[in-house]
Amino acid sequence: GAGVSQSPSNKVTEKGKDVELRCDPISGHTALYWYRQRLGQGLEFLIYFQGNSAPDKSGLPSDRFSAERTGESVSTLTIQRTQQEDSAVYLCASSLGFDQPQHFGDGTRLSIL
Amino acid sequence: GDSVTQMEGPVTLSEEAFLTINCTYTATGYPSLFWYVQYPGEGLQLLLKATKADDKGSNKGFEATYRKETTSFHLEKGSVQVSDSAVYFCALSGNTGKLIFGQGTTLQVKP
Repeated sequence: GAGVSQSPSNKVTEKGKDVELRCDPISGHTALYWYRQRLGQGLEFLIYFQGNSAPDKSGLPSDRFSAERTGESVSTLTIQRTQQEDSAVYLCASSLGFDQPQHFGDGTRLSIL
Repeated sequence: GDSVTQMEGPVTLSEEAFLTINCTYTATGYPSLFWYVQYPGEGLQLLLKATKADDKGSNKGFEATYRKETTSFHLEKGSVQVSDSAVYFCALSGNTGKLIFGQGTTLQVKP
């Protein structure tokens, strides 16, 4: 499809396990963002990639969270040693540039038991 | 730091009623302002935007005007429909492009 694709759509895992979430941006979009949406709350910015520049990691809540992006393609968000507080919907968005509208994926719903 | 505050919901209206969802912001510089909508079972979609003071964004009958003097970007619609039932998010974008969201307002429109 032409939109932002995220996988898996749902992930249930035990506390302490590592998880990896994937985002396929719209082709040609140089900017990619990760956000987290906890139940009943707004979206929190996590990390931002723009082309080959150093990513803006200012929103990552702890050193258990990391993300990578290869060039202008797929990005993965990794959460190590998951905690129950990590339960949320993780949303990815991409755009043509930092000042362009962001297009969101459907998200990955992460549940930590 | 930058922040967005929007009215708490849920907001329940009858069909054809007038809608206002209040949104105020705190920011340094001159951010762009957005309203995003999340329909039940769907992803987040851009509803409208405004990039500078006094700009009016509009889409699908919804409007919002960027008011710098009151730091507001209230969402309005003259006559809501059942199909407008969704969660609405106000957001601002600073010079890095990352979005700062309000907590969301749930709108339920009854026939």
